[in-house]
Amino acid sequence: NAGVTQTPKFQVLKTGQSMTLQCAQDMNHNSMYWYRQDPGMGLRLIYYSASEGTTDKGEVPNGYNVSRLNKREFSLRLESAAPSQTSVYFCASSGTALDLRNTIYFGEGSWLTVV
Amino acid sequence: GENVEQHPSTLSVQEGDSAVIKCTYSDSASNYFPWYKQELGKGPQLIIDIRSNVGEKKDQRIAVTLNKTAKHFSLHITETQPEDSAVYFCAARTGGYQKVTFGTGTKLQVIP
Repeated sequence: NAGVTQTPKFQVLKTGQSMTLQCAQDMNHNSMYWYRQDPGMGLRLIYYSASEGTTDKGEVPNGYNVSRLNKREFSLRLESAAPSQTSVYFCASSGTALDLRNTIYFGEGSWLTVV
Repeated sequence: GENVEQHPSTLSVQEGDSAVIKCTYSDSASNYFPWYKQELGKGPQLIIDIRSNVGEKKDQRIAVTLNKTAKHFSLHITETQPEDSAVYFCAARTGGYQKVTFGTGTKLQVIP
């Protein structure tokens, strides 16, 4: 019963490098999200995918791209990392016909440092 | 868009005392207010929620109240225990279910 699984857990990047954060959910959820968490800023939505085949910008999309590979997987790509992208990134998912609350379930987080 | 403010940012209480965390929201169209608990090194987990047509909801030691007129909602934890120590986030959902705005979090420390 894995829920939302994201990799890697920790990553250090040099400025200008690229990387992809991977995320998969096994709850048959329709919607998936990427958030970033910074001290004093709470959780801010980067991108979301309401359903397979669609993606939309959230509150802070600049510098990121996403791919909804299939219903299970939603990846986040940093094309040219910047120190301002040092953060903890959370993948999340929600949405089945049985869940009227549309509860958001989070992964365990990926700690990214850009030096 | 929606703006959710959360206070206090940190809160220390003695074990057994009560803790209250308050949030305000700006968009009167918000209709669903979940609360999440984040333990150290983990992702946030839903602990309780309330819909806009309900004024109060309880689940054992935790309760949430909502005042739609004033646009604020609060989390109440009674008989606090050390395992309640965590960061708590309030949130508000407006319209489409993807549009959830989180507060900035409250770090609760329960002192044994």
